[in-house]
Amino acid sequence: DAGVTQSPTHLIKTRGQQVTLRCSPKSGHDTVSWYQQALGQGPQFIFQYYEEEERQRGNFPDRFSGHQFPNYSSELNVNALLLGDSALYLCASSLERRAGIYNEQFFGPGTRLTVL
Amino acid sequence: DAKTTQPPSMDCAEGRAANLPCNHSTISGNEYVYWYRQIHSQGPQYIIHGLKNNETNEMASLIITEDRKSSTLILPHATLRDTAVYYCIVIRGSQGNLIFGKGTKLSVKP
Repeated sequence: DAGVTQSPTHLIKTRGQQVTLRCSPKSGHDTVSWYQQALGQGPQFIFQYYEEEERQRGNFPDRFSGHQFPNYSSELNVNALLLGDSALYLCASSLERRAGIYNEQFFGPGTRLTVL
Repeated sequence: DAKTTQPPSMDCAEGRAANLPCNHSTISGNEYVYWYRQIHSQGPQYIIHGLKNNETNEMASLIITEDRKSSTLILPHATLRDTAVYYCIVIRGSQGNLIFGKGTKLSVKP
């Protein structure tokens, strides 16, 4: 049973460019969350997708957008890249939370984005 | 902001128990305590969670104080592979996102 997979593993871009990161959730999971982790910091929540819609969003600008496909896989898009966008981008998958019950999130290995 | 406070770093001798404290004095009655860890260059990994009672699984034990304002994660026999950053997270059952602090960097030494 494959866990959460992400591609690519590493990426180098220049300021102003656009980037797309991809995530395949753990088998049987239907919810995908994205996190940004700067060096030396804990992961910061970007947004969560369920049923192909953005359900929850953290404090990130509109330059960060996403998409979820019918097979539950997801993409994270970042436009107009800034130097400060350099970070590890983590994808996590889970089952749709039942009422009042939090379902643990399984994380992928991340995509290391470097903006020059 | 994270609702938890953890020491930035701790050392532990290999084979000994590692006790990682977490303060969550503002925890609400419907909030759970979750622990994740992140080994270098990997994504965070779920360890254990609890509400009121102490919990144990194959990885660790979680001790929650009676007033629920603090907890301790116990790795009973730490190995070098347990070297990681450990995150204590407080989350409501209905909440979708995890709020990470800076965690505790645990170094297990031979």
